[in-house]
Amino acid sequence: SQKIEQNSEALNIQEGKTATLTCNYTNYSPAYLQWYRQDPGRGPVFLLLIRENEKEKRKERLKVTFDTTLKQSLFHITASQPADSATYLCALDHAYSGAGSYQLTFGKGTKLSVIP
Amino acid sequence: EADIYQTPRYLVIGTGKKITLECSQTMGHDKMYWYQQDPGMELHLIHYSYGVNSTEKGDLSSESTVSRIRTEHFPLTLESARPSHTSQYLCASSDGQGSLSYEQYFGPGTRLTVT
Repeated sequence: SQKIEQNSEALNIQEGKTATLTCNYTNYSPAYLQWYRQDPGRGPVFLLLIRENEKEKRKERLKVTFDTTLKQSLFHITASQPADSATYLCALDHAYSGAGSYQLTFGKGTKLSVIP
Repeated sequence: EADIYQTPRYLVIGTGKKITLECSQTMGHDKMYWYQQDPGMELHLIHYSYGVNSTEKGDLSSESTVSRIRTEHFPLTLESARPSHTSQYLCASSDGQGSLSYEQYFGPGTRLTVT
């Protein structure tokens, strides 16, 4: 069956360090993968999208890698700050119901806490 | 901040009541979605729409229904609320090409509690 696993439910890191979050998937062949940030009681906010033919994508302090052989994406936040504390979700697109449509399936997320 | 709105933000209601959760977006997106999320759990797609008069059920079975009469409006209705419907409901929209679904913009969510 299809499965998305994010490395841990919670990750604590010291301010200024690089946070690395992992997203592994099985039985998917996604055309692209996305990362979202979700704060408590709020809807997710889109951060980055990486396509299957891209190895790496950067946006300011964020970096995403995508290895379709390992079926894994890594999400890095460099020079982490307490304001980066949130839950980070990875999401994969996949063909849905044979209707020629593609939907996103989300992982459970990793709750990141950046300690001052 | 995304231009997608949900009302109410919080709703506590008794069993058996009919409820409608509102969702509107001003971005002109054709694609809209409803997700259900329990605390600490992943989002599950319950309904989606690719345009006016188009609605489909998602991968999580839901007793709710949706309608899409206008591009900007995608309400969700529960005819008879039950405690098992207690959850967070998130509405989203996206502007993808053809069948692909690009980044999604989410509303703030409605926290529903059925007593």
